[in-house]
Amino acid sequence: EPEVTQTPSHQVTQMGQEVILRCVPISNHLYFYWYRQILGQKVEFLVSFYNNEISEKSEIFDDQFSVERPDGSNFTLKIRSTKLEDSAMYFCASSDRERQPQHFGDGTRLSIL
Amino acid sequence: GQQLNQSPQSMFIQEGEDVSMNCTSSSIFNTWLWYKQEPGEGPVLLIALYKAGELTSNGRLTAQFGITRKDSFLNISASIPSDVGIYFCAGRIIQGAQKLVFGQGTRLTINP
Repeated sequence: EPEVTQTPSHQVTQMGQEVILRCVPISNHLYFYWYRQILGQKVEFLVSFYNNEISEKSEIFDDQFSVERPDGSNFTLKIRSTKLEDSAMYFCASSDRERQPQHFGDGTRLSIL
Repeated sequence: GQQLNQSPQSMFIQEGEDVSMNCTSSSIFNTWLWYKQEPGEGPVLLIALYKAGELTSNGRLTAQFGITRKDSFLNISASIPSDVGIYFCAGRIIQGAQKLVFGQGTRLTINP
């Protein structure tokens, strides 16, 4: 069964450094998403992306965050200057149509020191 | 606000027992989804619901989209050890909106 794959599985970064989290969505999917889950808490929406532009974003997704689809297969989340509170699991998801279920990757655990 | 209240927060049951959990909101939902998450993994889709009153099964799992469109439940029958995990409800509130709003999760523990 097709999967969403995310790399790396764990990223440790010094506060203030830039970090890029990478995702390969399911190949025929057109809608891409990033969510985060702080340890022990619920999953929170960050951003959705369709047709090479952001279609929706949450208040968490401030100017420090950006997303990009650099080629036909990858979808990235960049955090420009990381803060301690950015430590969380970051999940990428994709869906083939706008209201279809979103399928999640296994996440990248981001630890900010 | 766009809050989903999921209950119970945790359940401790014996193998073979049936399980029931639910989500409620003050907002109207257009889609309800139920996911399961195991340690170190991402949420895995269990059931998707699109219409008020819809009742859908996936093996031993059954979920329903409430008539008022403000609630949903998930039942698991005859639980087995591999059912252990955290179950999340998630939904879309506004027609066409893509983001999912998640509940706080129900942690299921099964005693063999």
